[in-house]
Amino acid sequence: GENVEQHPSTLSVQEGDSAVIKCTYSDSASNYFPWYKQELGKGPQLIIDIRSNVGEKKDQRIAVTLNKTAKHFSLHITETQPEDSAVYFCAATYSSASKIIFGSGTRLSIRP
Amino acid sequence: NAGVTQTPKFQVLKTGQSMTLQCAQDMNHEYMSWYRQDPGMGLRLIHYSVGAGITDQGEVPNGYNVSRSTTEDFPLRLLSAAPSQTSVYFCASSYSGDSSGYFGPGTRLTVT
Repeated sequence: GENVEQHPSTLSVQEGDSAVIKCTYSDSASNYFPWYKQELGKGPQLIIDIRSNVGEKKDQRIAVTLNKTAKHFSLHITETQPEDSAVYFCAATYSSASKIIFGSGTRLSIRP
Repeated sequence: NAGVTQTPKFQVLKTGQSMTLQCAQDMNHEYMSWYRQDPGMGLRLIHYSVGAGITDQGEVPNGYNVSRSTTEDFPLRLLSAAPSQTSVYFCASSYSGDSSGYFGPGTRLTVT
């Protein structure tokens, strides 16, 4: 079955710097890769996603890249702000799948 | 739309008691799932459903039962609560296997 590995488990960056979180997946059939942000005491919320027919997608300060050959995808946050502090989860699934497989999460802290 | 709703928000049980965590969605999603999240850990899939009348086990199903009699509702039953089931429980729904998932706010369960 699908397995998703996520690194690093914790990440601390200076406010204004960039943060990168990386994930690898095992099932070559996976074609949909969402990213979730979980703030303290809340449920995860989708922040960006990418499908396998594109290599990069950007939404303001957030971007996701996908390398299908290497089976890895990354989340890039530029110009980090205090409100970016949260736990981020990557995930992978495919069209006939019945469930989404999540990575183990990255706790991102933004230092003032 | 209310999205995904969960009740109760908090619950304390004694060992051996049973209870049902409620989950409902008003987005006409076919796919629904239950996850548990323990401190410092990621999301572990308990049970999932790909439509009314269809359920299946995730990675940690022991001690939990589910049923899906309607598209909207997906309750999770704890048969005989154990301290190991102390956790935060999240319900999620999605339109299909390769579409974004929407999470509820969570139920924080403590078993003493």
